[in-house]
Amino acid sequence: GIQVEQSPPDLILQEGANSTLRCNFSDSVNNLQWFHQNPWGQLINLFYIPSGTKQNGRLSATTVATERYSLLYISSSQTTDSGVYFCAVDPNNDYKLSFGAGTTVTVRA
Amino acid sequence: SQTIHQWPATLVQPVGSPLSLECTVEGTSNPNLYWYRQAAGRGLQLLFYSVGIGQISSEVPQNLSASRPQDRQFILSSKKLLLSDSGFYLCAGDPGHSKNIQYFGAGTRLSVL
Repeated sequence: GIQVEQSPPDLILQEGANSTLRCNFSDSVNNLQWFHQNPWGQLINLFYIPSGTKQNGRLSATTVATERYSLLYISSSQTTDSGVYFCAVDPNNDYKLSFGAGTTVTVRA
Repeated sequence: SQTIHQWPATLVQPVGSPLSLECTVEGTSNPNLYWYRQAAGRGLQLLFYSVGIGQISSEVPQNLSASRPQDRQFILSSKKLLLSDSGFYLCAGDPGHSKNIQYFGAGTRLSVL
């Protein structure tokens, strides 16, 4: 099956810093989503981004489908940005997502 | 958008006892529904998915089963829990069309003792 690799596995930031999270995938995909899991376990969909660039407030994402990677940018980080960020892809266009292992982000005040 | 309701939030069960976790969906008809399990500090593993009433596909062999008795209801069950069934269980749904953004419930933390 498809391999989804996220880096770095852990990231510690000072409040106000910027950061970039990366997701590499081993096969072409029709669907790529980024999620944020808060410390209580709730997963929130951040972006549906199979290609191109999107922005939502301090977060933005870029997917270069031809090169099989996606980037999530966090600008001016806040403590509420802490949690685990997951990249998930659907390689077969059958709605089933394969998740990466996640990047754990800790933002310190 | 749709809302996924999932309960209970926390559950402690003895080994060998039965399990029933329920998930219901608001805001969309005929959604695709999913059960995931997340081990501590790990990513999400897809257990079951359903594209309609009575239609269940299993992704991994295991001690669990799923059922979809109604369009917006998805149930995860076990007849006899094992220690290895402990984990964080998440129900998710999507509208079932090309832009299938998945929405998740709040999850159930299951401890089998």
